[in-house]
Amino acid sequence: DGGITQSPKYLFRKEGQNVTLSCEQNLNHDAMYWYRQDPGQGLRLIYYSQIVNDFQKGDIAEGYSVSREKKESFPLTVTSAQKNPTAFYLCASRWTESNEQFFGPGTRLTVL
Amino acid sequence: AQSVTQLGSHVSVSEGALVLLRCNYSSSVPPYLFWYVQYPNQGLQLLLKYTSAATLVKGINGFEAEFKKSETSFHLTKPSAHMSDAAEYFCAVRSSGGYNKLIFGAGTRLAVHP
Repeated sequence: DGGITQSPKYLFRKEGQNVTLSCEQNLNHDAMYWYRQDPGQGLRLIYYSQIVNDFQKGDIAEGYSVSREKKESFPLTVTSAQKNPTAFYLCASRWTESNEQFFGPGTRLTVL
Repeated sequence: AQSVTQLGSHVSVSEGALVLLRCNYSSSVPPYLFWYVQYPNQGLQLLLKYTSAATLVKGINGFEAEFKKSETSFHLTKPSAHMSDAAEYFCAVRSSGGYNKLIFGAGTRLAVHP
């Protein structure tokens, strides 16, 4: 089955710890995106990547980092510098020739 | 700057009633517009999209939306609500800044009661 997988589904972290969220796609999409979702605020773009080894900051990149070493993988690290990391994180991907973004099932991060 | 406004954070309808979810956008260029649906603790699924072709767009699950340039609106409708339509709905516009970034509205939670 083709699609986007995110793991883990639920993640708990202590304050001051870095944590990495996984996003993998087997759709052969070039572009990948990370969004953060908070209640009542819709989705906000954290980082995006058009091609391997290239990525750009989105609207709320502070406290986050990414890498794009492989076409199918775009992991997001939430660092201790992120002041309010508890949220639902969504990964998406897209063919270069299309406007449509496909979303993964999300990871819910809770900081204890 | 582009933006999306969804009027009504919560909408409640009876099963079988008309569903109307409102979306207004702001864009300095011809917009590409999208409606997504999200079920609890899941990702987003595309319902439909407007990409400058027909102004009335039909999507999945019986939903449709009409692009009205004069009103800068892209409201989502469904003639008869089902219990399974209960979810959160997001309107989005593609950013003119490149890279196909999407700008999302705050979302509307639809409740369907018997």
